[in-house]
Amino acid sequence: DGGITQSPKYLFRKEGQNVTLSCEQNLNHDAMYWYRQDPGQGLRLIYYSQIVNDFQKGDIAEGYSVSREKKESFPLTVTSAQKNPTAFYLCASSIPGRRINTEAFFGQGTRLTVV
Amino acid sequence: DAKTTQPPSMDCAEGRAANLPCNHSTISGNEYVYWYRQIHSQGPQYIIHGLKNNETNEMASLIITEDRKSSTLILPHATLRDTAVYYCIVFGGYQKVTFGTGTKLQVIP
Repeated sequence: DGGITQSPKYLFRKEGQNVTLSCEQNLNHDAMYWYRQDPGQGLRLIYYSQIVNDFQKGDIAEGYSVSREKKESFPLTVTSAQKNPTAFYLCASSIPGRRINTEAFFGQGTRLTVV
Repeated sequence: DAKTTQPPSMDCAEGRAANLPCNHSTISGNEYVYWYRQIHSQGPQYIIHGLKNNETNEMASLIITEDRKSSTLILPHATLRDTAVYYCIVFGGYQKVTFGTGTKLQVIP
């Protein structure tokens, strides 16, 4: 079945360490997104990519980095420069220039905790 | 910045209709209105979308005003499982998809 897979579901990191969150999709979508969600808050856009080898900063990109070497994959690295990385991270995909895919836009998220 | 405005919270009695409003006064002609909901600690779930006509599916109805500056999501018979945060977003063309803070709907027994 087509969809978006995020891994791992739960992730623990020591302060000062970089950590990479995985996001893979087999929907043949060109656009992919990373969002951060804090308790009781909405979704904030970190980075997005409309096409392979290209990506743009969202509203809260500081302390994060991404790559888009393959259409199917859009990994997010939370660097040690991110001062408050504990949050719920959501990956999403869509077809740019068209409507948001209605069946499988979001992954199920990764909950990152800094210990 | 988010392009939509929603009330932060609403209550609805179980079995009654839940009407969730959304303002999107700066919506442009090629942008659709989408509704998603998020149950705690899960990925958002698609509910419904529309351009200018009212829409209905098995989950909900979407009423869009004639000027398209606002819309209402209607859950016709709310159940306890409908308790969630509901997000209204507008999207079209080659744009980034941004979310507001949504409406926390509490269905009361």
